Parts: sequence; structure tokens; C-alpha cells
Amino acid sequence: DGGITQSPKYLFRKEGQNVTLSCEQNLNHDAMYWYRQDPGQGLRLIYYSQIVNDFQKGDIAEGYSVSREKKESFPLTVTSAQKNPTAFYLCASSIVGGFENEQFFGPGTRLTVL
Amino acid sequence: GENVEQHPSTLSVQEGDSAVIKCTYSDSASNYFPWYKQELGKRPQLIIDIRSNVGEKKDQRIAVTLNKTAKHFSLHITETQPEDSAVYFCAASTPRNYGQNFVFGPGTRLSVLP
Repeated sequence: DGGITQSPKYLFRKEGQNVTLSCEQNLNHDAMYWYRQDPGQGLRLIYYSQIVNDFQKGDIAEGYSVSREKKESFPLTVTSAQKNPTAFYLCASSIVGGFENEQFFGPGTRLTVL
Repeated sequence: GENVEQHPSTLSVQEGDSAVIKCTYSDSASNYFPWYKQELGKRPQLIIDIRSNVGEKKDQRIAVTLNKTAKHFSLHITETQPEDSAVYFCAASTPRNYGQNFVFGPGTRLSVLP
């Protein structure tokens, strides 16, 4: 299960606060992804990055922001503009971008807004 | 944009029986269809995938079939075992002028009863 890590495992936030979720990979993968998983729903794509210093919005990017300054790291910030941020967040990476390659997932971060 | 439906949402089978999960997609330009398995409390993992130029792919007890005309693809698991119990997600990838669209289905919870 090594290779891609997320921290923290559980995160609690008060309403109105921004919070940043960490995602790190040592697989030398070019592409990285962020998904949100809600009960009874599939994974929904928030943002993805196919290469360093470049990223694209997914289906539900509103209220989220990302950066990709290093190949190994793709942090996700959940801003106060995200109306319903309580969810399970999964980060993934693949050897190259384009979504036609196996994505390797991290263990996830469960965010709860109090 | 692409819409992926998945049926059934829950499926119970006796150990040794076969299980079939079906997904439909809306965009005829979709060209890559992976299946991910997520065991309870664990991260999703790719179990099999198929590209649009292939009608069927098999890997030991699992197989995927693709019907491009009808825009549906199915996961077949034969000789089910208790360790096959998990949530299974299908997905569809669609090329776009800028980037790629990637959508997961809502998932099927498979229970294999001993």
C-alpha cells in the first residue's frame, strides 16, 4: 500500500475556515488527481494535474483550489466557499496523464465540518 | 457531459455463483472503461479495464464486455469467493479538446455469502 500517502486521516474544521489536505507520492508519477466520495455516490473528480505547474478543473471544482509546484505533491485546499465540504477525499496518481492509465489511490482523508 | 449509470446498487450471491454488474454511459466518444474494487475501509484498486477497440477482456475469474453500439459495459465475476465482497465502481473516460473527462458510476456493493 505504499507509494501514495495522504494526511491527515481525519480532519475536523469549523465553518468558515479553509483547510488543506496533503497528498504525496514517491512513484515518480506525472499525473495526480483529487476525488470526493460521498455515501451512495461514485468518486467525483475535483481537480487533476497531468504535469508539474499545470492543473485542470474536474466536475466539482467550485470551492476547492490546488497547486502542483512539485511532482511529488498535490495539496488540496477546501475553502469556505465550498458549501458542503464534509466528505471522504481521495488522492490518486498515474504514471502519465490522460485517464487511460491505472490510477493508484491514497488511503483518503475524512473531512468533517463542525 | 458524460453520465455513467451502474446497476444494481447492491448484489448478493452465494459463494461459487457468478455476479454481473452493468454500466451504461452516455457519450459515444468515451474510449476507456476501467473497473475499480474498493474493499471496506481500503482504497480503490483497478481490477480490469477495457478500451473501445476491444469487445471483451478476461483475467482469470473476472471479465469485462463492451457493447459500443448500446453504450454499455459489464463486469462478470465467476466462481465468486467471500473475498470478492466489496464495492465495485465502473468509470468512463472521454477525450475532449482540452484534457479528458473521467466519470465514475455510483458503485455496486457485492456481498458473497458463504
